[in-house]
Parts: sequence; C-alpha cells; structure tokens
Amino acid sequence: AQTVTQSQPEMSVQEAETVTLSCTYDTSESDYYLFWYKQPPSRQMILVIRQEAYKQQNATENRFSVNFQKAAKSFSLKISDSQLGDAAMYFCAYRSAFNFGNEKLTFGTGTRLTIIP
Amino acid sequence: NAGVTQTPKFRVLKTGQSMTLLCAQDMNHEYMYWYRQDPGMGLRLIHYSVGEGTTAKGEVPDGYNVSRLKKQNFLLGLESAAPSQTSVYFCASSARTGESYEQYFGPGTRLTVT
Repeated sequence: AQTVTQSQPEMSVQEAETVTLSCTYDTSESDYYLFWYKQPPSRQMILVIRQEAYKQQNATENRFSVNFQKAAKSFSLKISDSQLGDAAMYFCAYRSAFNFGNEKLTFGTGTRLTIIP
Repeated sequence: NAGVTQTPKFRVLKTGQSMTLLCAQDMNHEYMYWYRQDPGMGLRLIHYSVGEGTTAKGEVPDGYNVSRLKKQNFLLGLESAAPSQTSVYFCASSARTGESYEQYFGPGTRLTVT
C-alpha cells in the first residue's frame, strides 16, 4: 500500500517570501500522479498543482511550483511571493495511474502554513 | 454548475442515532468518494464507488454504509452513531478517464456525536 508523509506539521513564512513544504511517498508503482491540495479555513479542498510521474519536468502554476524527485520519492511544494491568502492547511496526495481497485487518493497528514504580515 | 454538494453542512447526533449524508455531483463523474477528516490525521477514505450500483471499502469503513443508486448521488449512512464518528466528512468525485483523475471536493459536513 502506498503511504504519503508530510513531516512538517506547521510552517510559517513572512509575506512576500518563499516557503517550501515537504512531502515524501512510498510506492512500488512506476506510474502515478501526485497532488497538492490547499484547505483554507473555509474547509474547501482546492487543488493547487498536480504532477504526473512519467513527466520529468516539474509542474508550475503561477507562484506555485514543485520539486519532483522520482528516485527519492520526494514531492515538495514551493510557494513564491507568499500572500496572506496562502494561509491554509496543505495536503500532499498520491493517486495510482491504474484503475481496477486503485481509484483513490492517499493523503498525507498535512502542513499548516501561516503567513506572517 | 454546482460541482459537488453535501447535505447537511452540520449535524449533532446522540449516540445510537442514525443518519444519512447526501452527496450530489453534476459533473457526470463515474467515481465518488467519502472521506473523514480528523485533527492530525489528514483525510482517510471511508468508502468509494467506481460507478452506479457499485461500492467498495476504503481505509476506515467500519460503522458506515454507502449506496450509489444514481450516478450523481452517493449516500453515506451511519446506522448507530458513536462518539468516535465525530468528524468532518468530505465527499469527492472524479472522472474515470482524464489527465490526472483530479478529485473535486464538496464543502464538508461537520458531524458531532454526543
């Protein structure tokens, strides 16, 4: 079974600075997807960014980018120019690329990000 | 386009009572999921469904039942609520095919069992 580990329960960053959230995972599969979800105080889960394992290029979405290291099974999220609206819980998640019993996400325990004005 | 909706948003139950949480999606997704979220434990999968009329157990299925009689609806039932089921419940849906099987989440239901 796959596992996802987020070793930083809490992080904080000054507004406009850059912060990196860590995520590692364990799998024996060669093809899969990785996600970062954001959960603000409203509780709504919002997809921030996704990465396909067979793509070597790191995904980027505006101020959000990932550092995907497949061999190390590491998937960190970098937030540049942090804004107050980035304050939230961030969850890393894994999804097999195969169906037939694997159609589910496995989540890490989350990192609470605080933005300091 | 409402996406994924959940009913109710809040509920308080006494131990032993039953209830059903309703999830509805209007995106014609094949897959639907129920998660619970507890402090420090992330989201854990309770049950899921890969199509109308089919359901499967997730990581923490005990004490819950589900039904998917219509493609757009996924019901989560608690037959005899226990305080350990106090949690926030999320429903999600995703397409069967697609670039990444992104899951779309509902707003959550906060359930308290006293």
